[in-house]
Amino acid sequence: DIQMTQSPSILSASVGDRVTITCRASQSISSWLAWYQHKPGKAPKLLISKASSLESGVPSRFSGSGSGAEFTLTISSLQPDDFATYYCQQYKSPPWTFGQGTKVEIK
Amino acid sequence: QVRLQESGPGLVKPSQSLSLTCAVSDYSITSDHYWGWVRQPPGKGLEWIGSIYHSGSSYYNPSLKSRVTISVDTSKSQFSLRLSSVTAADTAVYYCARLRPTRLFDDWGQGTLVTVSS
Repeated sequence: DIQMTQSPSILSASVGDRVTITCRASQSISSWLAWYQHKPGKAPKLLISKASSLESGVPSRFSGSGSGAEFTLTISSLQPDDFATYYCQQYKSPPWTFGQGTKVEIK
Repeated sequence: QVRLQESGPGLVKPSQSLSLTCAVSDYSITSDHYWGWVRQPPGKGLEWIGSIYHSGSSYYNPSLKSRVTISVDTSKSQFSLRLSSVTAADTAVYYCARLRPTRLFDDWGQGTLVTVSS
C-alpha cells in the first residue's frame, strides 16, 4: 500500500494568514493526488485533483503543487470558512489511501 | 449535482454484520462512475473500504476484503455495504461516495455513524 503522510497534524492560524500543508507519499504517485476539505458533520469536499487542478467553484486562494512524492496545499489568505480538516489522497494505485489529516484551527 | 444518502442501523452488536445502503439521486447510477464506501473511526483519518461499478464489478481494500461485500441495485438506484464479524474497531462514520474514472472521490454523502457495542 502507498502510505500518505501529512504535516503538520494541527495548524493554528489567523484569518488572512498564508498556510501550507505538506503531503508525502511513500513512493512516487506522479500527480495522482487529490485534496479534500472536511468539516464536522459535513460531507468531505473535493478541492484539488491531479495535484494542482482546482475544482470548479473552489476559491482561487486554494492551490496545490508538487509531483512524484511530495505535494503541498496552500491557502493564500485564510478565511473564516476555511477552518476545517484537510486530507490528501493518492489515486495512483489501489488501495486508495488518505493522509491522516491536517486540522486548521483558529489561533 | 448527484445526491448521496446513507442509511442503516446506528448500532450493531459485536460479531454481527453491519449493513448500510447509499441512495443515489439526481444522477444515473449506471453512468461511467464507480461508487464506493469510505469510513472514519472516531479521531482517526479516512479509510477506503471498497468500490463497485453498476455492472457489479467490485474491488476492496485488502485490509477488509475478507469481511466486505458491496452490491448494487440499479433498479433502486442504490448500492450497499455489508461488513461481517464486526468489532469495536469498526465503529466509524461511514460515507458513500462517487468516484471519477480516475478513482478520486468527487461527491460524498453526509455520512452515518455506526457504533459497534453490545
